[in-house]
Amino acid sequence: EAQVTQNPRYLITVTGKKLTVTCSQNMNHEYMSWYRQDPGLGLRQIYYSMNVEVTDKGDVPEGYKVSRKEKRNFPLILESPSPNQTSLYFCASSPRMTGSSYEQYFGPGTRLTVT
Amino acid sequence: GESVGLHLPTLSVQEGDNSIINCAYSNSASDYFIWYKQESGKGPQFIIDIRSNMDKRQGQRVTVLLNKTVKHLSLQIAATQPGDSAVYFCAENIGRSNYKLTFGKGTLLTVNP
Repeated sequence: EAQVTQNPRYLITVTGKKLTVTCSQNMNHEYMSWYRQDPGLGLRQIYYSMNVEVTDKGDVPEGYKVSRKEKRNFPLILESPSPNQTSLYFCASSPRMTGSSYEQYFGPGTRLTVT
Repeated sequence: GESVGLHLPTLSVQEGDNSIINCAYSNSASDYFIWYKQESGKGPQFIIDIRSNMDKRQGQRVTVLLNKTVKHLSLQIAATQPGDSAVYFCAENIGRSNYKLTFGKGTLLTVNP
């Protein structure tokens, strides 16, 4: 089944404890992206990657890191989480964007709580 | 910065009625628009898209209308069903060299049986 998977789905952690949220897609998509979703603010892009070893900042990159060493994986790293990073996180992927379609396929989400 | 917005945060309709969800955008450089549906506890799911060189596009029970003059986008759902209850987001892409989607804040659609 073609899908985007994220792990963990739920995580409660403490301030300052490094964590990684994994994202993997099995559709051979070139483009991958991370979003956070907060009440009243909608989906905001954190980082995106257009291909292996190519990443760039989105709208809210502060406090996050990403890497794209392989095409299928795009982990989101929080080196020192803070309470304001409590949110619902979504990973998304898309096939090569040729200009005809920018449809992104979303994972199920990771709910992160930082205390 | 410029962003995609919505006219109504909530919409309640009766089963079988048609639903119209609106979206306003402010960036005239936006050339691609997409509607997503997000059910409770799930990630957004693609519904339909439209390019700026079109003013209407139809899918299965859904129609997207684009009015570039007033920078307005709408999603029409025919014969709304309880399974259509969800949050609906519009998103825009600005320019073909920019792969970023900017999302609106969402409209909650509730379908009453």
